Amino acid sequence: QSVLTQPPSASGTPGQRVTISCSGSSSNIGSNTVNWYQHLPGAAPKLLIYSNNLRPSGVPDRFSGSKSGTSASLAISGLQSEDDSDYYCAAWDDSLNGPLFGGGTKLTVL
Amino acid sequence: EVQLLESGGGLVQPGGSVRLACAASGFTFSSYAVTWVRQAPGKGLEWVSSIGGSGSTTRYADSVKGRFTISRDNSKNTLNLQMNSLRAEDTAVYYCAKGVTKWLQPPDHFDYWGQGTLVTVSS
Repeated sequence: QSVLTQPPSASGTPGQRVTISCSGSSSNIGSNTVNWYQHLPGAAPKLLIYSNNLRPSGVPDRFSGSKSGTSASLAISGLQSEDDSDYYCAAWDDSLNGPLFGGGTKLTVL
Repeated sequence: EVQLLESGGGLVQPGGSVRLACAASGFTFSSYAVTWVRQAPGKGLEWVSSIGGSGSTTRYADSVKGRFTISRDNSKNTLNLQMNSLRAEDTAVYYCAKGVTKWLQPPDHFDYWGQGTLVTVSS
């Protein structure tokens, strides 16, 4: 099963801005919206961004999403220690006829 | 408060079966599609199966099609996953997740997730 392509790791220091990329194809990101989830191992995954750039209630505006063509990005500004987590992009895939997830990016706050 | 609580995981032998359950509360269960997503050790999230709000529409990932069966009991606010012919590669934490529409179609995302239940397939 193919996945959306994310860098396996990213890092930054407190206060910095980091971005995480997500690359797909015409059958997923190219034709559907992108969602982002934050997942701390052992905990329930949490919805961070939906429909490319919308934040659920309670998610700080430090988190933002964007999409262009078959790629998407998650940006985190004013990095905080609690942002140290795994991040997954996801999009509906028309070939799979279901949601497709990225491989995940482990963000380390140094 | 929306809550999803998975149960039923454990150690099972290759070729064996197990039935997972997800108890939902805090929302009108029958109004939303629900989904199983798994995470194998050291791996990322993988979609497993989804079911529409009425239970009449189901979808499966190719990796589990023909072996897993998703179902729901709207009278008991419960989602189930019957897992048969289990393989070592099915070892994972299984999460249930709530969709935001009744139907299985884009655009869709999962606004609430459970904490997962671990299934280990090993002899």
